[in-house]
Amino acid sequence: AQTVTQSQPEMSVQEAETVTLSCTYDTSESDYYLFWYKQPPSRQMILVIRQEAYKQQNATENRFSVNFQKAAKSFSLKISDSQLGDAAMYFCAYEWGYNKLIFGAGTRLAVHP
Amino acid sequence: SQTIHQWPATLVQPVGSPLSLECTVEGTSNPNLYWYRQAAGRGLQLLFYSVGIGQISSEVPQNLSASRPQDRQFILSSKKLLLSDSGFYLCAWSALLDRGHYEQYFGPGTRLTVT
Repeated sequence: AQTVTQSQPEMSVQEAETVTLSCTYDTSESDYYLFWYKQPPSRQMILVIRQEAYKQQNATENRFSVNFQKAAKSFSLKISDSQLGDAAMYFCAYEWGYNKLIFGAGTRLAVHP
Repeated sequence: SQTIHQWPATLVQPVGSPLSLECTVEGTSNPNLYWYRQAAGRGLQLLFYSVGIGQISSEVPQNLSASRPQDRQFILSSKKLLLSDSGFYLCAWSALLDRGHYEQYFGPGTRLTVT
């Protein structure tokens, strides 16, 4: 069965610094997508970045980038130049078709001025 | 562009009362639609998803039901609420990426408190 694990319940970072959030997953599939979602205090889930398993190149969206290690089944999110508005819950999610996403338990990120 | 609406934003209901939460999507046709529940400080639990009008798949046996009366409308209901139904309910729609893969976009959510 597919599972997604986020082993860091909470993380903190100083404003303008860089932080990395970890995610590991378990699957026997070779064709899948991975996502990071952000949930700010408003609680609306916002798609931050996606990674296609077939692509070796790590995805990047402005200050957000991923480190995708397919063999290790690892998918970490790096936030550069952290801003106060980055404070939120971050969820890693896995999709392998069949209309379903599997979410990790989330990591709460605090950003300190 | 596509937008997704949910209402009400917050709801306080007594145990045993009925429930109806509504989700509508604009700017797309025949979307896949989803209902999730999130308990406080927890991850998301998929409750129902729908690939078309009248087509509902249930993921978790529970006190809730879903219906899709129109192409872009998805409704979550209960005949009698339980205390355990309290939580944050999120509706989502999905956009096709490729090879049968989808990414999901979420609505603003409904905070339900059962008293």
